[in-house]
Amino acid sequence: DAGVTQSPTHLIKTRGQQVTLRCSPKSGHDTVSWYQQALGQGPQFIFQYYEEEERQRGNFPDRFSGHQFPNYSSELNVNALLLGDSALYLCASSFRGNEQFFGPGTRLTVL
Amino acid sequence: GESVGLHLPTLSVQEGDNSIINCAYSNSASDYFIWYKQESGKGPQFIIDIRSNMDKRQGQRVTVLLNKTVKHLSLQIAATQPGDSAVYFCAETLLYNFNKFYFGSGTKLNVKP
Repeated sequence: DAGVTQSPTHLIKTRGQQVTLRCSPKSGHDTVSWYQQALGQGPQFIFQYYEEEERQRGNFPDRFSGHQFPNYSSELNVNALLLGDSALYLCASSFRGNEQFFGPGTRLTVL
Repeated sequence: GESVGLHLPTLSVQEGDNSIINCAYSNSASDYFIWYKQESGKGPQFIIDIRSNMDKRQGQRVTVLLNKTVKHLSLQIAATQPGDSAVYFCAETLLYNFNKFYFGSGTKLNVKP
């Protein structure tokens, strides 16, 4: 079992661009949550997907959107990137919202 | 919204000593708590969890204590090892929220050999 995987590992974008990050959940998991972790801070909840629908959402603007596919994998899209969007983006998967397992994250740098 | 904070941002301990990492939470309705360990360049790793109907839970070398009266969590690590050096986060949630977790800012644990 590969656990939770995320791609890419690192990404550099410029302000105004759009980015798509990808996550494959742990085998047997059906729920995917996305978090933003700024340097030196704890992860901040962005949203959670279950049965291909956004079930929960944190305090993030509509520039942040997502999708879950029938195989439970998920994408996080961020439009109109700002410098402040630079962070580590973490994906966590779980079965029916139970114990979460985190992936290694995607480091996004916005210049 | 909920907020979770930690009393000490950095904790240095000698190898072999016991470590105690503290956490305060603000939402008295939170009923599920998890401690995570995050090593440099990695995602958070589950250490131990506790539900609000318990006040203590033990794992291998780790113990979590929950004091609902003062909304305080602690993580105790016995016989701290160099491999325990990492940033530790507590996180809280409401189980009916299907684990929309709120994390604190973390405590860095430095284990001196």
